Amino acid sequence: GENVEQHPSTLSVQEGDSAVIKCTYSDSASNYFPWYKQELGKGPQLIIDIRSNVGEKKDQRIAVTLNKTAKHFSLHITETQPEDSAVYFCAATDSWGKFQFGAGTQVVVTP
Amino acid sequence: ETGVTQSPTHLIKTRGQQVTLRCSSQSGHNTVSWYQQALGQGPQFIFQYYREEENGRGNFPPRFSGLQFPNYSSELNVNALELDDSALYLCASSLGGGSSYGYTFGSGTRLTVV
Repeated sequence: GENVEQHPSTLSVQEGDSAVIKCTYSDSASNYFPWYKQELGKGPQLIIDIRSNVGEKKDQRIAVTLNKTAKHFSLHITETQPEDSAVYFCAATDSWGKFQFGAGTQVVVTP
Repeated sequence: ETGVTQSPTHLIKTRGQQVTLRCSSQSGHNTVSWYQQALGQGPQFIFQYYREEENGRGNFPPRFSGLQFPNYSSELNVNALELDDSALYLCASSLGGGSSYGYTFGSGTRLTVV
């Protein structure tokens, strides 16, 4: 089955700086890669996603890149703000179309 | 448009007991998935229901079972509770399967087994 590894587990950045989270996956059949943000006491919220036929996608301060050959994808947050502090999860579909999540990255943005 | 709602929000059960968790899907969504999220971990896939039929299951024992109703709401049942079942249980709905449209998650039910 699919295996997703996510790094780093924690990330501390100064407000205004950029944050990058990286994930690798194992199943070459995976074709959909969403990123979720989870705040304390809440369920994960979809923030951006990318499909295997696209190399990069951007939505305001958030961007995701995908390298199918290397089987890795990354989340980029620019001009970070305190409200970006949360746990971020990457995910990949397995060959059955079910999600496998990474272990999460705790992002802390300090003013 | 309402999101995904789960009940109850918190629950304490004794080892060996049975528990039922409930989920109302987002309007228009016909697929429901359940995930278990242990503290400090990513969500782990339990199973998925599409139009009242289970169409995928993760690595969970049979004492984890579910139902989806005609209105696409869903239940997760866990029998013979164990201490390791303590976790946040997340329900997620989607249209036609999460790989096509992505999931909308509820806020979860925090289950504590003592």
